[in-house]
Amino acid sequence: DSGVTQTPKHLITATGQRVTLRCSPRSGDLSVYWYQQSLDQGLQFLIQYYNGEERAKGNILERFSAQQFPDLHSELNLSSLELGDSALYFCASSVAPGQGSNEKLFFGSGTQLSVL
Amino acid sequence: DAKTTQPPSMDCAEGRAANLPCNHSTISGNEYVYWYRQIHSQGPQYIIHGLKNNETNEMASLIITEDRKSSTLILPHATLRDTAVYYCIVQGYSTLTFGKGTMLLVSP
Repeated sequence: DSGVTQTPKHLITATGQRVTLRCSPRSGDLSVYWYQQSLDQGLQFLIQYYNGEERAKGNILERFSAQQFPDLHSELNLSSLELGDSALYFCASSVAPGQGSNEKLFFGSGTQLSVL
Repeated sequence: DAKTTQPPSMDCAEGRAANLPCNHSTISGNEYVYWYRQIHSQGPQYIIHGLKNNETNEMASLIITEDRKSSTLILPHATLRDTAVYYCIVQGYSTLTFGKGTMLLVSP
């Protein structure tokens, strides 16, 4: 158990809909990262927050947004869903701000999103 | 960040040592070598990381060559539960970027 909690574990929805994925980081970790894993793209970094502020942005679509709340949990919002958004979405946390060496990430067990 | 090259797949017999190679010939002085693994559809799991010296923890050993252009992850006594995709990542001042990794299959 990594200590990172993601809910829900599975989500099935239809095209055009909007969903919210939730992540609670390990106790004491200030950074939260979101990754997307699809069969053809592998693990892709989406976005990172540190202590409530956006820290780094990766291959995140404009239809996707995220935020980190004062209690440090984070939510990833996916809107106008398309079939191609079906993937595993992972959240990870770390102590430090990131973008630096000598820092390890702890990953949650993921949310499997299926868009039908 | 420097790019890494790993074999796409490897086999190992249960109980034997698994030696997973990684080439990172363009690594720079401030970049660490990280290893993560992902067991089927689970979240990636941190294994070990190092800068220059060899490192060992309860999961594995990391051997980094003196010129730092390559490294080897060693699982001393592989078990069936070690079957996973192993990612070698060189990280500097950017977020962790995963490549395709090595699929390690441990067989009885």
